[in-house]
Amino acid sequence: SQQGEEDPQALSIQEGENATMNCSYKTSINNLQWYRQNSGRGLVHLILIRSNEREKHSGRLRVTLDTSKKSSSLLITASRAADTASYFCATGIYAGGTSYGKLTFGQGTILTVHP
Amino acid sequence: DAGVIQSPRHEVTEMGQEVTLRCKPISGHNSLFWYRQTMMRGLELLIYFNNNVPIDDSGMPEDRFSAKMPNASFSTLKIQPSEPRDSAVYFCASRSSGYYEQYFGPGTRLTVT
Repeated sequence: SQQGEEDPQALSIQEGENATMNCSYKTSINNLQWYRQNSGRGLVHLILIRSNEREKHSGRLRVTLDTSKKSSSLLITASRAADTASYFCATGIYAGGTSYGKLTFGQGTILTVHP
Repeated sequence: DAGVIQSPRHEVTEMGQEVTLRCKPISGHNSLFWYRQTMMRGLELLIYFNNNVPIDDSGMPEDRFSAKMPNASFSTLKIQPSEPRDSAVYFCASRSSGYYEQYFGPGTRLTVT
């Protein structure tokens, strides 16, 4: 089963509104990342939060992490039509001293921002 | 930097044919990942390499799939023989040691008829 599960599966909002996407995972993690994928393109890294962090900001993005609930949320403020894309959370788990960087991706949230 | 380069971008082939997908990671990155994306199964990790050595190939569907990384700047994913259920978008990603973020290529859309 997927390590990360996003909620909702699809989100439709108007330009200027905020968009919130949630991610839940099952096992202990080292870090959690959010990626964006425009239609027909590869994934693009947006933001990373480490397991010892609770909140992080980057421009219009705000990520929170609750390790006790094994969940994270991505907030996009003042959304724009150009934010229309699929958003994926990915969890990173490290074993011992290795740092191979394996990630497990969720199924994604499809965000549509109407102009 | 040109980013991760994949070729071909699109591949249409008939069932039973051999397919080879190619990837050039970002220069200086020492980890390389091959993923497959479908509507039904989402994004699946097939195999990943660290310093050109395969670390985990547990995601490779079956023996028809094989991957190589002969040097730090090139990797291939081969499917032989191909089947219609292999139709998907295949992504290659790379990562630099000491960093967690992965950088994805544009993908290869494979259609097997």
